[in-house]
Amino acid sequence: EIVLTQSPGTLSLSPGERATLSCRASQSVSSSFLAWYQQKPGQAPRLLIYGASSRATGIPDRFSGSGSGTDFTLTISRLEPEDFAVYYCQHYGSSFTFGPGTKVDIK
Amino acid sequence: EVQLVESGGGLVQPGGSLRLSCAASGFTFSSYSLNWVRQAPGKGLEWVSYISSSSSTIYYADSVKGRFTISRDNAKNSLYLQMNSLRAEDTAVYYCARRKGSGYYADDYWGQGTLVTVSS
Repeated sequence: EIVLTQSPGTLSLSPGERATLSCRASQSVSSSFLAWYQQKPGQAPRLLIYGASSRATGIPDRFSGSGSGTDFTLTISRLEPEDFAVYYCQHYGSSFTFGPGTKVDIK
Repeated sequence: EVQLVESGGGLVQPGGSLRLSCAASGFTFSSYSLNWVRQAPGKGLEWVSYISSSSSTIYYADSVKGRFTISRDNAKNSLYLQMNSLRAEDTAVYYCARRKGSGYYADDYWGQGTLVTVSS
């Protein structure tokens, strides 16, 4: 079973700054199966990135995904106030594993 | 507009049963695979179960295998989760989510969730 590790656990940044979130898999996975979601308090998750680097419909281009093998990255180029949230990566395989999440909060 | 609306949550005693429903609209339900994902209070996301468009492929998380049963009724545009032998650790908000499409590996639409509380 693939285990996903996300780092850091919490990222404290100011609006306008760049955010770099990491997702590491316990074994090599196909990029096609790696997705990123954003979740705000009291809301359902929202798909940001699928296939490691493809933005979902309506997602601003300040969000980008990259990586391959075991190491994947979600980058938010310039944080907007609405971007402060928890971000999860997911391996969409037979176990559909989620990482533990990275909380991006306001510094 | 794609909509997924969960229902059926509530308070149940340990060992009890509950059936969740997810009503879908705004898309061709029979063409999409679906997932149940849960989130315990203050915790992260945990995948629970997957069902393909025709119900031919079904997966469960080890934590619910043998206790939960996923099913769908394409004629009624509905997804279900039958939960038996419930435990305190099953307490969570349960979301239904639509797989983006065949050949895609992500869930692009999510319901707002229904809360299940297992407590005596």
